[in-house]
Amino acid sequence: AQKITQTQPGMFVQEKEAVTLDCTYDTSDQSYGLFWYKQPSSGEMIFLIYQGSYDEQNATEGRYSLNFQKARKSANLVISASQLGDSAMYFCAMSDTNAGKSTFGDGTTLTVKP
Amino acid sequence: DVKVTQSSRYLVKRTGEKVFLECVQDMDHENMFWYRQDPGLGLRLIYFSYDVKMKEKGDIPEGYSVSREKKERFSLILESASTNQTSMYLCASSVRVTPSTDTQYFGPGTRLTVL
Repeated sequence: AQKITQTQPGMFVQEKEAVTLDCTYDTSDQSYGLFWYKQPSSGEMIFLIYQGSYDEQNATEGRYSLNFQKARKSANLVISASQLGDSAMYFCAMSDTNAGKSTFGDGTTLTVKP
Repeated sequence: DVKVTQSSRYLVKRTGEKVFLECVQDMDHENMFWYRQDPGLGLRLIYFSYDVKMKEKGDIPEGYSVSREKKERFSLILESASTNQTSMYLCASSVRVTPSTDTQYFGPGTRLTVL
């Protein structure tokens, strides 16, 4: 069975600084995908970034990058130049090769301080 | 842009009522999902569907049923609502390319309260 672990229930970062949100995963699959989602207080889950297990380069999307270390089974999200609007809950997820289901971590609440 | 809509943002129902939560996506996605989200428990998959009239149980299907008569619409049904079904319900959809790359796109969520 797949498992996602996010060990940081809450994180604080100063505005304009970078922050790393941790995610480790466990799977016996060779082919899988890793995702990060943002959930603001409004409740909607917003897709941020995707990394495939065979991708050799780390994924980047604007201020978001995914630090993928396959041997360590980690997929940390790095947010550069934090903004107040980045305050939200962040979820790491892994896709299941069976019918595209995903397993989600418990989330990390990020608070950006002015 | 992918658009996933849910019929209500907030819903209040009485114990024993039959409750319908509707989800519609406009991107011709094959896969659709229903989750519930509770504090401290993360997202838990209730049901999913990978085609019209097809459904698969997720991790917590008890007390729920689903219907997918059209590709764009996936309904979650609480046959007899109970207070322990008070929760945030999230619908998602994804295109079926390869399972490991299927990004899920979510609706805004429905906060259901059962009194």
